[in-house]
Amino acid sequence: GQQVMQIPQYQHVQEGEDFTTYCNSSTTLSNIQWYKQRPGGHPVFLIQLVKSGEVKKQKRLTFQFGEAKKNSSLHITATQTTDVGTYFCAGWGSQGNLIFGKGTKLSVKP
Amino acid sequence: DAEITQSPRHKITETGRQVTLACHQTWNHNNMFWYRQDLGHGLRLIHYSYGVQDTNKGEVSDGYSVSRSNTEDLPLTLESAASSQTSVYFCASSVAETYNEQFFGPGTRLTVL
Repeated sequence: GQQVMQIPQYQHVQEGEDFTTYCNSSTTLSNIQWYKQRPGGHPVFLIQLVKSGEVKKQKRLTFQFGEAKKNSSLHITATQTTDVGTYFCAGWGSQGNLIFGKGTKLSVKP
Repeated sequence: DAEITQSPRHKITETGRQVTLACHQTWNHNNMFWYRQDLGHGLRLIHYSYGVQDTNKGEVSDGYSVSRSNTEDLPLTLESAASSQTSVYFCASSVAETYNEQFFGPGTRLTVL
């Protein structure tokens, strides 16, 4: 079945360093969503990318959707302790449901 | 303010017991979803509903059931709880149109002994 793979599984960075998580799908995606889950919290929607090659920015966060619409990335510039959490990508399956990647857990050392 | 709530927030039960987890949203969203979250597996879809009287099986539906009698509620029932169902359960909702963001509830931590 359709799979959404995400790497790395864990990332430890020093505050101020950059961070990137990558998402790859086994099939072409109509669009892709990104969520953030703080420790002990619930997933919260960050953004949705729809167009091939699309790039969107939210302050220090940059989201990209690949030209072939099979991969995506989230890049955080100059991480802060408030960025700590798990970042999930999610793509829409053939039955109209979201398929989540396993997430990248980010820890930031002050 | 509109919101999505789950109850209980924590539950401990014994193997073989029937357990129902509640999910209630006040956004009037047509779509509702149940996920379980386990270490190393991310979020996996259990059941989902696109409207009243509509229910569909997700990736890991065995041992679970849902019913949708109104727009606001989608209770999740574990027919006979098993230790493998120890997990954190999240309910989510979204508007009816396709490809919309999902709003998640705070989660229920279930332990099956």
